[in-house]
Amino acid sequence: KQEVTQIPAALSVPEGENLVLNCSFTDSAIYNLQWFRQDPGKGLTSLLLIQSSQREQTSGRLNASLDKSSGRSTLYIAASQPGDSATYLCAVSTSGTYKYIFGTGTRLKV
Amino acid sequence: DGGITQSPKYLFRKEGQNVTLSCEQNLNHDAMYWYRQDPGQGLRLIYYSQIVNDFQKGDIAEGYSVSREKKESFPLTVTSAQKNPTAFYLCASADRIEGSSYNEQFFGPGTRLTVL
Repeated sequence: KQEVTQIPAALSVPEGENLVLNCSFTDSAIYNLQWFRQDPGKGLTSLLLIQSSQREQTSGRLNASLDKSSGRSTLYIAASQPGDSATYLCAVSTSGTYKYIFGTGTRLKV
Repeated sequence: DGGITQSPKYLFRKEGQNVTLSCEQNLNHDAMYWYRQDPGQGLRLIYYSQIVNDFQKGDIAEGYSVSREKKESFPLTVTSAQKNPTAFYLCASADRIEGSSYNEQFFGPGTRLTVL
């Protein structure tokens, strides 16, 4: 059974710092991995999607990497800003299923 | 403007009542999902649908029901059998890419349900 873990649960950094958020999964047979941002009381906003055949994706100050063999993905945020403060969640889609499994998220404060 | 809408934004339910949460998408996506989010927890899957007139139970389907009569609509009913329904409910959709797998998920703004 696929399990997704995000550590730490909360992170506080000074403005301007580069930071890395972690996402671990137990079953490497994934189809894709998606990173989301959630502001308090709001829905999820898709940030980046990495297909299983890809190693990384970039969008502006965000870079997500995927290492299926080790069951890990990282979300790198460059030059953090107060507007980056939110909860970041990752979700994996396992090959052959229609379901996405979510981590519990990392709450970021800049 | 393409996207997913959910209504109402806030919903209050009395004990013993059934309530229905609306979810509509104009993205022409095949798959639609309902998730429940409790404070400090990740999203848990309630029901999902891959095609009109077909849906499957997720991990926490007890006390909930759904229908998929139209591609763009996937309403969720929270029945009186759901013992602890107070939560934030999120609807999502995704497009089929190939075979049995799906691409990027998109989410609605959510409905916060409170039991009085």
